[in-house]
Amino acid sequence: EVQLVESGGGLVQPGGSLRLSCAASGFTFSSYWMSWVRQAPGKGLEWVANIKQDGSEKYYVDSVKGRFTISRDNAKNSLYLQMNSLRAEDTAVYYCARELRDYSNRFDYWGQGTLVTVSS
Amino acid sequence: QSVLTQPPSVSEAPRQRVTISCSGSSSNIGNNAVNWYQQLPGKAPKLLIYYDDLLPSGVSDRFSGSKSGTSASLAISGLQSEDEADYYCAAWDDRLNGVVFGGGTKLTVL
Repeated sequence: EVQLVESGGGLVQPGGSLRLSCAASGFTFSSYWMSWVRQAPGKGLEWVANIKQDGSEKYYVDSVKGRFTISRDNAKNSLYLQMNSLRAEDTAVYYCARELRDYSNRFDYWGQGTLVTVSS
Repeated sequence: QSVLTQPPSVSEAPRQRVTISCSGSSSNIGNNAVNWYQQLPGKAPKLLIYYDDLLPSGVSDRFSGSKSGTSASLAISGLQSEDEADYYCAAWDDRLNGVVFGGGTKLTVL
């Protein structure tokens, strides 16, 4: 059974940093692109970043470029999101998602999410 | 403001059929496949439709998708109370080089 479990969320002050983790199991982690998708309270979904199987390609939404870094450790079946210079507008539930890129770029499995709150 | 445009809400009676629209542009829907996600209250999103009109394993055939030009639609037939959820369309955007979502549509089964 595919499982994605996020951790690392919490309350952080504006300008602060946080590192999210996603533990994957039930599939060959190193064979898949992975993504982070976020959802602000009461708002819609927003794709944040993704990373290729070997980490050689990474893409970000414009609003987080230069502040967030996506990475992975295939030996540990883990995905990470380092978030620096956090702003109030980064407050959201952050989901880890497995990304398929055959017929379409889609997210076929999602974690339960971890809440990040940026506030003083 | 979301890149893809969806109606904020739709409602219909049980056992009826409802459609949810999703409008985009040539850089996203017009040139790439559309996927739909269902998000039940308090839950993570779930893939509902992919590649415009394909159903993942385990998804009820009461759900169907279609696309024409730069617009797509999700149809749900035989509405049930458990279909009450938020529905999101999504597609790759060639100009933004990333996945873009619609703002979401809240379905109420009357």
